[in-house]
Amino acid sequence: SQQGEEDPQALSIQEGENATMNCSYKTSINNLQWYRQNSGRGLVHLILIRSNEREKHSGRLRVTLDTSKKSSSLLITASRAADTASYFCATDARDSGYALNFGKGTSLLVTP
Amino acid sequence: DTGVSQNPRHKITKRGQNVTFRCDPISEHNRLYWYRQTLGQGPEFLTYFQNEAQLEKSRLLSDRFSAERPKGSFSTLEIQRTEQGDSAMYLCASTVLAGGYEQYFGPGTRLTVT
Repeated sequence: SQQGEEDPQALSIQEGENATMNCSYKTSINNLQWYRQNSGRGLVHLILIRSNEREKHSGRLRVTLDTSKKSSSLLITASRAADTASYFCATDARDSGYALNFGKGTSLLVTP
Repeated sequence: DTGVSQNPRHKITKRGQNVTFRCDPISEHNRLYWYRQTLGQGPEFLTYFQNEAQLEKSRLLSDRFSAERPKGSFSTLEIQRTEQGDSAMYLCASTVLAGGYEQYFGPGTRLTVT
């Protein structure tokens, strides 16, 4: 079964706006990662946040992690049409060999 | 291009036939994972290798599925007696455990069972 649940399932915004996606998970984790998938390029790793971290930045991406609430958020600032894709959060744990447990994803559409 | 390759990219087969997929990971990566993704869902873990050793298999991996990673390099995933429910995208990913745990995914093999 899939561990994470992303919210919203779909999001439509205009270029230049910010996009926020949320993820909830159920069990203890070592790391939480965000991946992007679009039809032409497969799954691409965006950012990883460790369970002892609360916030991380990478370019236009900002990820937060609240282990007490078992939730994370991904903020994409100043979005571009090229950000159109599906975004997945994935958790891993040492007990499961760091295999990724994905949610169902958020489908983001950025219109010019 | 992440450096992980998968072949074939597409496979159409008739129910009951056997199929085999190949994954070539990034050469220095010691961990290799297989996932399956159906439409509208996130990828689901199938199995993983540490070098040539298969260390864990998901309950999704029925007896009809077998995976190998001879010599700790490329890996193959075979499905015997395919069923329509096996239609999915099969993804391979590799990583170096000491490197931070992010996984590098191949483009996937899309299997259609008719």
